[in-house]
Formats: sequence, C-alpha cells, structure tokens
Amino acid sequence: DTGVSQDPRHKITKRGQNVTFRCDPISEHNRLYWYRQTLGQGPEFLTYFQNEAQLEKSRLLSDRFSAERPKGSFSTLEIQRTEQGDSAMYLCASSLGPGGYTFGSGTRLTVV
Amino acid sequence: SQQGEEDPQALSIQEGENATMNCSYKTSINNLQWYRQNSGRGLVHLILIRSNEREKHSGRLRVTLDTSKKSSSLLITASRAADTASYFCAAGGGADGLTFGKGTHLIIQP
Repeated sequence: DTGVSQDPRHKITKRGQNVTFRCDPISEHNRLYWYRQTLGQGPEFLTYFQNEAQLEKSRLLSDRFSAERPKGSFSTLEIQRTEQGDSAMYLCASSLGPGGYTFGSGTRLTVV
Repeated sequence: SQQGEEDPQALSIQEGENATMNCSYKTSINNLQWYRQNSGRGLVHLILIRSNEREKHSGRLRVTLDTSKKSSSLLITASRAADTASYFCAAGGGADGLTFGKGTHLIIQP
C-alpha cells in the first residue's frame, strides 16, 4: 500500500456536467475525509466518513455534492451540474483514529 | 470558516537560517498539527502536538503550543532549499475534522 490514491489527477469539464472522483485510502485507515482547496487558501472540510458511515458534512457541501464510501473502503465524491465556482483541488485524506492525516495528491477540477 | 491563521503569510530567508511560523486558533482543541504542501501537491503531515503538551521536536522541526493564548509556532532550523513550500497549521478536535489555516508560504533562497 503506497498511500492515499486519487483518481483522476486532473479533470476538465463543461459547466452543467456531472463529475465523479475516486479516493482509495490506506487500507487499515478507518477514517476518510474530503477537502476542497482553492488557490492561496488552506483546505476546507467537506465531509468525513468513519468506516462506511458519513458522520459529518460541511455547509459547503450543497445538495449538488454527494459522497459515498461503500463497504468502508474506497470513496467517491460526485458533483452534479457543475458550476465554475466548483473549480478547485479536491483532496482526500485518511487516518487511523484522530491522529495525523495522510493526504492524496488531489484531483484538480476545472469547470469551463 | 477557517479556524487556524498562520503568520506571516509569506516568508523568504537564506538557506541555513531558521524559519519561524506562527499559528493562532479560535476554539478548544485536542491537538494541533502542522502540514507541508509543495506546489500543486497534496499535504504532508509533519508533526502533531497534543493539547497537554507544550513542546515537541522532530528532526529539524520544533513545535510549541500555548493553549492559554491559543497559539502555536513551528520552527525549522538550518533551512534547506527543499524546505520551500507552504506550511499549514490545523486544529484538531472539532466535529469538522481538522480545520486548516491559509498557510505560510516559505521560500528558501540559495
């Protein structure tokens, strides 16, 4: 296991299209997090899973966003009807308990 | 909203010098973490200090925590060109996982 993997690395989509990102956490980590980061800013929390249960959702996560973690393994983040304001780096992280996070390299989304 | 606030926003020093970055946060924490991010990449966990600890060392890194002032500092000694990156503090213990600041962009000049 080489860490947290995110796919794709880059995604360019037209406004109004749906996109889905995937995150594969470190296998023994029970916690998985999604963050969004825009240029010059720190990561902003989107949502958090403990095993397969989605425990917290940020107010940033509008009803166009949905995240799943079936079977407590990989996770997907879907954005429906994308808007230009959705353009950002989407970061996934995992942890074993409340310690330090291991981040993936992120998926950079550009909405044109 | 972001709880952690780093200071300064940008720092440029000569290779070999020490770099100090500060972080302030707003609410109670269980721990305070520091991360490094190279341009366009994910974040790398550097060090975690628990709320009942005052100082922690890891290699060339030294972190202090003052819970009465709700502040932390990260010291990088004997800086190297490879230390050029953005550094973020993150407050742990809230319901929303870690809350990150906006970061300090550190440039090490050769």
